[in-house]
Amino acid sequence: QSALTQPRSVSGSPGQSVTISCTGTSSDVGGYIFVSWYQQHPGKAPRLMIYDVSQRPSGVPDRFSGSKFGNTASLTISGLQAEDEADYYCCSYAGTNLPYVFGTGTEVIVL
Amino acid sequence: EVQLVQSGAEVKNPGESLKISCKGSGYTFDNYWLGWVRQMPGEGLEWMAIISPSGSDNRYSPSSRGQVTISVDRSISTAYLQWTSLKASDTAIYYCVRRLAKTGAPIDYWGQGTLVTVSS
Repeated sequence: QSALTQPRSVSGSPGQSVTISCTGTSSDVGGYIFVSWYQQHPGKAPRLMIYDVSQRPSGVPDRFSGSKFGNTASLTISGLQAEDEADYYCCSYAGTNLPYVFGTGTEVIVL
Repeated sequence: EVQLVQSGAEVKNPGESLKISCKGSGYTFDNYWLGWVRQMPGEGLEWMAIISPSGSDNRYSPSSRGQVTISVDRSISTAYLQWTSLKASDTAIYYCVRRLAKTGAPIDYWGQGTLVTVSS
């Protein structure tokens, strides 16, 4: 099982929107609604930002939104803020014996 | 408050054995599986293994199966990850993670991480 494919980095100015893609196959991203996104600041543990493609856990700002079309999921950060600069990882369910496949990770740079 | 508190950093020689731990608190232990995610230096996240609260069921990633053993002690709400013979390539931060006992549930909480360094 290969890692899901994400761009290495995306950048935007404060207030702008950025979108991170996460491409898999029909065996993972395309086959289930169980896609999640994690934010990781340097030296810190990851934090759940989105689950089930587009659901936000309590406490996550509504600037963060998720979607999916076919085998590609996306995370959009609207109204970019300095504290959003971090690494972001997508994650998909790929069946009972492979519940978690992570993406390659994307660095979000706030210019 | 949900907490996953992991054991401290380890420095080991190649070939040595190791067992790291993760104690869950602040939630109903029986409702959640515990697992482990690896992050090698400067690299991304890699799911390794997960175990049911009773220990009766577990899952391993293809790359982790046969390399590590996951276990749980329900009486003290603690999960473990064990190696019998460490390699330099096992050097990484290992995160303990939690997920609801439901198909497709996301990893919703992470421990603070345990740095394992394997070097001669």
